[in-house]
Amino acid sequence: AQKITQTQPGMFVQEKEAVTLDCTYDTSDPSYGLFWYKQPSSGEMIFLIYQGSYDQQNATEGRYSLNFQKARKSANLVISASQLGDSAMYFCAMRDSKNEKLTFGTGTRLTIIP
Amino acid sequence: DTGVSQDPRHKITKRGQNVTFRCDPISEHNRLYWYRQTLGQGPEFLTYFQNEAQLEKSRLLSDRFSAERPKGSFSTLEIQRTEQGDSAMYLCASSEPIGYTFGSGTRLTVV
Repeated sequence: AQKITQTQPGMFVQEKEAVTLDCTYDTSDPSYGLFWYKQPSSGEMIFLIYQGSYDQQNATEGRYSLNFQKARKSANLVISASQLGDSAMYFCAMRDSKNEKLTFGTGTRLTIIP
Repeated sequence: DTGVSQDPRHKITKRGQNVTFRCDPISEHNRLYWYRQTLGQGPEFLTYFQNEAQLEKSRLLSDRFSAERPKGSFSTLEIQRTEQGDSAMYLCASSEPIGYTFGSGTRLTVV
């Protein structure tokens, strides 16, 4: 069975600093994909970044990068130069080759301090 | 087509009433998913469609819940005889082979 663990319920970070949000996962399938979503208070889940299990390089999208350590089964999200608008819930999710559905972690609430 | 649309955004209902939510996916996406998110938790999978066929249902989807996707376009999620435990955000998503696009959700409050 798939499992996603996010151990940081909340984080406070000074504006313009970098922040790392932790995510570990568990699956027996060698083929899987890892996703990060941002959920502001409005409720919409906003896709940030994707990493495939066979991708050789860590994914990057603008200020977002994914620190993928396959042997440790971790997929941490790094946000560089944080902004006030980054304050939101952040969810890590996974899909493997046997399932169409996404399995989500419990999320991390990020608060950026001016 | 600007994304996945869900209607209504908010719904307050009395316990025991039936409610129906609608989701309009991105038009070229043939897969559509329903998730439920309770306070402090990540979204949990309920069911998914490929075109008009409902291919998987979670055990969370009790017999009071039914979902349809006639003609493979929009989808509806109906909850019969609502209970207070049904209070949650109901999220719809549609997908290409890799990416999932979520709607803004319908927040249900059962009083």
